[in-house]
Amino acid sequence: ETGVTQSPTHLIKTRGQQVTLRCSSQSGHNTVSWYQQALGQGPQFIFQYYREEENGRGNFPPRFSGLQFPNYSSELNVNALELDDSALYLCASSLVGGGGSQETQYFGPGTRLLVL
Amino acid sequence: AQTVTQSQPEMSVQEAETVTLSCTYDTSESDYYLFWYKQPPSRQMILVIRQEAYKQQNATENRFSVNFQKAAKSFSLKISDSQLGDAAMYFCAYRSPVHKLTFGKGTLLTVNP
Repeated sequence: ETGVTQSPTHLIKTRGQQVTLRCSSQSGHNTVSWYQQALGQGPQFIFQYYREEENGRGNFPPRFSGLQFPNYSSELNVNALELDDSALYLCASSLVGGGGSQETQYFGPGTRLLVL
Repeated sequence: AQTVTQSQPEMSVQEAETVTLSCTYDTSESDYYLFWYKQPPSRQMILVIRQEAYKQQNATENRFSVNFQKAAKSFSLKISDSQLGDAAMYFCAYRSPVHKLTFGKGTLLTVNP
C-alpha cells in the first residue's frame, strides 16, 4: 500500500508569484484535503476535494484554488503569493463513503513554502 | 463553529513514566470523530489514536489510550511507559460530519532519559 506523497518538499518563491503543490493520495482513497500549518500553530483547513469536486472550504481567499484528477491526486495552487503564505502545506487523503475508520485522514510529509 | 483547545503548550515526562495530554472541544454535533496526531521534528503528521463519538468505550492503541468524556467534551491522551521516540508535538483534532479536521494548537511533549 502506497502512502500519501507530496512534491516538492521545499520551495522558495517571491511575493506576487504563483505556486503549485502536488499530492498523491494513498492507494484506495478518493478524497484529498489540504491544510496550511504556520510555524507554531495547528494545521488550518483550506479545502477538500472529493470525486474531482470541491467538497468544503475553510476561511481562505479565492487565490487558493485546487484540482483533483481522475486518479485522485490533487494540486493546490496559490496565486499572488504573500509573505504570510509562508507555511507548511499538508495534504491528507481518506476514503469518504468507506465508513468508520476508513474515513480517517492520513497525511503526507508536507511541502514547506517560503515566500520572500 | 467547532473549536479545539489544548491548554498545555508544553509537557515533559521521564522515560518509562506516564503522561496525560488534555484536550477539550466545542460542538453542537452528536456524530463526530476525535483524533490525536503526533508531529515529530520531521513534520510528518502521524495518526496516534481515533475515537468515534458514538462509542462509549475509550480507544486504546498499545501504550496510548484516551479518556473520552462526551458530556464534558473532553478527550485526553494517556501515554504509558513513555519512550524517547514519543517526543513530538501532539495535536488533538475534531472531525465534523463534513469531514474537515479542526486542530488544537498542540502540546509539545519532551521525554527525559
